[in-house]
This record gives sequence, C-alpha cells and structure tokens, in this order.
Amino acid sequence: QSVLTQPPSVSGPPGQRVTISCSGNTSNIGNNYVYWYQQLPGTAPKLLIYKDDKRPSGVPDRFSASKSGTSASLAISGPRSEDEASYSCAAWDDNLSAVLFGGGTTLTVL
Amino acid sequence: VQLRESGPGLVRPSETLSLTCSVSGDSMREYYWSWIRQPPGKGLEWIGYIFSSGITNFNPSVKSRLTMSIETSQNHFSLRLKSVTTADTAVYYCVRGDRYSSASSLFDPWGQGILVIVSS
Repeated sequence: QSVLTQPPSVSGPPGQRVTISCSGNTSNIGNNYVYWYQQLPGTAPKLLIYKDDKRPSGVPDRFSASKSGTSASLAISGPRSEDEASYSCAAWDDNLSAVLFGGGTTLTVL
Repeated sequence: VQLRESGPGLVRPSETLSLTCSVSGDSMREYYWSWIRQPPGKGLEWIGYIFSSGITNFNPSVKSRLTMSIETSQNHFSLRLKSVTTADTAVYYCVRGDRYSSASSLFDPWGQGILVIVSS
C-alpha cells in the first residue's frame, strides 16, 4: 500500500520554527487537496489543516501549511510542549481511488 | 456531532470483525462516512467510505473482504471485515467525511476509537 512520505520525527526548542514535509506524486498531492491531522498521545486524531492551508476555527495561528507541486509542508512557529504529538498528512489518490495517509511525524519539543 | 464505535475487542483469526458507529448530534444525510484504522505503533490507514445513500468505496487492500452498511434513520453505520488475520489488529476509528466530494481526505470529527485484537 503506497503512502505519502513523511519524516518519522522532528524536534526543536520552544520558539524555533519546525517544519514537517509530506511528499507524494501527481495522482495525489499534485492533483488534490492535502489535509493535516494532529494526534496527541493516547487520543484520536484531530483535523488541523484542511484544503492545503486553511485552519479550522480553534486551531492556533502558530500552525500553518503550504503546498507546492507534489509536496506539502506543515509549519509550527514557536512550538509548545502541548504540541508534542504525531502529525499526519492525507490526500486522495486518483489512481487508487483511495485516501492515502503519510506515516506520521512525531514532534518533540526540546 | 459525536461518533462512538462499538463492537468486540477480540476476534479469532479467520472470523469476521463487525463494528458499529453511532452518530449523534446531527443528521447523517448527505455526508460520506469512513472507517480508518491504526495498527499499534503505526500510521493511519483509510479502510473505506459509505455515503448516506449507501454508495461505497473501499481501499483496494481490503476490498475483497469488506462490506459496509448504513441506517440513517437509526443514526449508525457499520463495518464487516471477513477472514481476519493478526494484520487486522488495530484501533478502528469511525469518522465523518466530506459533504460534497467523494474524492476527499477531510475527516472531522473522529470517534474515540476501539481497539480490536485478532488472536486465537
């Protein structure tokens, strides 16, 4: 089963911008919206970003996202300890007619 | 809207895994409803969706073993995965999908999840 490619982990001190990449191809990220989900330890995932770069109400503005070609990225400006979680990207794949998820990236705030 | 999964937490290999998702707080009509699973320590995997009309689409990885049903009048939808193996051990989440597009990875909200272990 194909997945979108994410780094397994990222880390950084509070106050330093961290980014998480998500790489796909023309049948998924390149032609469909990317969504990002945050999963705090022991809980269900929660929608963090929709339609490439939009934040649902209630999501702090330190979270931002972008997309270029077949890659997307999530940025956290000044991460806090409460942001320690796993972050997963997702996109529809036209060839598979299925949703693909990235493997998830664990954020550690040093 | 709130979603809650229910079903057995233990299933024997080769048997059928059956789960139900109860939806409260809003109508199920005109939405796509999905199941997503997460094996212990691993990433998320979309299993499939069912639209309120009953139209379905499944992940090719489980398509031959999966059926889904929906009862909008009773506010629930269900999953049946047959011939399970230990590889089907996972936390299973039911989620509300997009309202306007089947080709979407919008999932909000999520149920709390239910751990299903496949073991003899």
